[in-house]
Amino acid sequence: GAGVSQSPSNKVTEKGKDVELRCDPISGHTALYWYRQSLGQGLEFLIYFQGNSAPDKSGLPSDRFSAERTGGSVSTLTIQRTQQEDSAVYLCASSPRPGQGRETQYFGPGTRLLVL
Amino acid sequence: AQSVSQHNHHVILSEAASLELGCNYSYGGTVNLFWYVQYPGQHLQLLLKYFSGDPLVKGIKGFEAEFIKSKFSFNLRKPSVQWSDTAEYFCAVTYSGNTPLVFGKGTRLSVIA
Repeated sequence: GAGVSQSPSNKVTEKGKDVELRCDPISGHTALYWYRQSLGQGLEFLIYFQGNSAPDKSGLPSDRFSAERTGGSVSTLTIQRTQQEDSAVYLCASSPRPGQGRETQYFGPGTRLLVL
Repeated sequence: AQSVSQHNHHVILSEAASLELGCNYSYGGTVNLFWYVQYPGQHLQLLLKYFSGDPLVKGIKGFEAEFIKSKFSFNLRKPSVQWSDTAEYFCAVTYSGNTPLVFGKGTRLSVIA
């Protein structure tokens, strides 16, 4: 079946502009995660959605970052007033149900963001 | 803060050589352990995982990993690597029922003929 999809695959923007990154999880998966992969920092957790519960935003690096998940499916990660240090690959993952940290997370191809 | 350490940044091996990639995690109570792989131009995908039971777990493509609780380690092994194993390997942990993965910085494996 279809995997996790993300769009756009690449995004180049100017410093100070806002960007929106989209994630379509695997159908039926209730949990959705955003991670960031950057040089020197590796893979970092950003935010986690589980069903209708309030999201875990503990990994967001600043208040310029926000995310929403509409209808329990598609998610959008928004970065306002982008800075050069926001340049990274933004990865989305989904998993079928909460399993006390035991579930397999399935990753999308990522969005490569470059802030000039 | 909870963290995962991967000892090797870049490993270069000849085909048929044996592989061992190190992974250590910081203490944080109950842990679930994962190895993910990212082949060039592809998505992150799961190689293997450990939750409980037999500390030696087997994954896809001939990989295995051993959980040593006393050493907080979960090293990845393969007896004989192939050129197609060239990829980046990530060790990851979830702590105490929390679901976000904590990743190591990754180890790039290059297998040469």
